[in-house]
Amino acid sequence: GAGVSQTPSNKVTEKGKYVELRCDPISGHTALYWYRQSLGQGPEFLIYFQGTGAADDSGLPNDRFFAVRPEGSVSTLKIQRTERGDSAVYLCASSPTGSTGYNEQFFGPGTRLTVL
Amino acid sequence: GQQVMQIPQYQHVQEGEDFTTYCNSSTTLSNIQWYKQRPGGHPVFLIQLVKSGEVKKQKRLTFQFGEAKKNSSLHITATQTTDVGTYFCAGPRGSGNTGKLIFGQGTTLQVKP
Repeated sequence: GAGVSQTPSNKVTEKGKYVELRCDPISGHTALYWYRQSLGQGPEFLIYFQGTGAADDSGLPNDRFFAVRPEGSVSTLKIQRTERGDSAVYLCASSPTGSTGYNEQFFGPGTRLTVL
Repeated sequence: GQQVMQIPQYQHVQEGEDFTTYCNSSTTLSNIQWYKQRPGGHPVFLIQLVKSGEVKKQKRLTFQFGEAKKNSSLHITATQTTDVGTYFCAGPRGSGNTGKLIFGQGTTLQVKP
């Protein structure tokens, strides 16, 4: 079956611009996570959705970052006034449930964001 | 704050040699997961360990969860070129039952044929 998909695969933008990154989770997965991965580092948690609501946005670095999941499926990560330090690979993952008990996460291929 | 550390950061081995990566958490974990990321790829789930002292095997891979549930290891016997990649351990981030993860920085394995 189809895995998690993310678009675009690459995004180059200029400092100060606005970007949107899209994630299509595995059908039926209620939990959706956004992570950010810098070179040589592990993924860093940004935000978690259970259904339509942002259940936990404690990992968002500042108020320039925002994410939505209006119908409980596709999610969009939005970054305003991009800065060079935002350059990274943005990974989306989904899971059948958002339970810590058993929580294999299925990652998408990521969006590589480069801010010039 | 909460930290998950892995050592070594890099490991180069000759094909056929064994490899081990170690993961240490600053806090007790309810479970630990391991992921593999191939060069240019995305993390792929390998396994989850839940019980104190648990040992699980997947072919040439052996995973252990420490008795105190603060450390874990992944051992690969007789490495092959297909084992190349970065191996991450990850545990539940913070408290609560949300499934969000905190990852170690990974161990990158290179295998010389």
